[in-house]
Amino acid sequence: AQSVTQPDIHITVSEGASLELRCNYSYGATPYLFWYVQSPGQGLQLLLKYFSGDTLVQGIKGFEAEFKRSQSSFNLRKPSVHWSDAAEYFCAVGTTNTTSGTYKYIFGTGTRLKVLA
Amino acid sequence: DAGITQSPRHKVTETGTPVTLRCHQTENHRYMYWYRQDPGHGLRLIHYSYGVKDTDKGEVSDGYSVSRSKTEDFLLTLESATSSQTSVYFCAIRGGVLQPQHFGDGTRLSIL
Repeated sequence: AQSVTQPDIHITVSEGASLELRCNYSYGATPYLFWYVQSPGQGLQLLLKYFSGDTLVQGIKGFEAEFKRSQSSFNLRKPSVHWSDAAEYFCAVGTTNTTSGTYKYIFGTGTRLKVLA
Repeated sequence: DAGITQSPRHKVTETGTPVTLRCHQTENHRYMYWYRQDPGHGLRLIHYSYGVKDTDKGEVSDGYSVSRSKTEDFLLTLESATSSQTSVYFCAIRGGVLQPQHFGDGTRLSIL
């Protein structure tokens, strides 16, 4: 079955420290992968996406993610975290129904990031 | 920001009453989605639409219906609301296969 796993429910880091949020997916075909960020009371904002090509993708706000097919992972990284990065982060995989041709996302359950001053 | 408007933004209602949430887009995108967000579950797909009058069920569609009579509007209806449908509901739109989804700001629905 298709699924996305974010194994860390909560992560706490100090401001200025590096960050890595984990995401593992299960999908039989070539995946389309996404990371979104959600601030309290807000909708989801796209951070970055991977469709094909270079496995290291750059996103907004200084984030990057690396696609590793052998590990079925798409981990999100940032070299130096800012207090404003405190939010909830969601990984998603885009899946295609080969019969109907329709396309939809499967989301992970999210990782809530806390940043210490 | 993508032109997506959800209405209402907040609603409190009683068990057994009908509720309709509206998603309006100004992007002329083909694909529209309704999700619910609950703690510990992330976002779960309720229904989606791939064109006018073309809709399909998601993973948590029981108790919900949708309609899309024109490109810009996607309505989500709870025919008889239950307390288990208390949640935050998000609408999303997407232009094409290799385009990401863009989300509205959500509707917080409380059913007492």
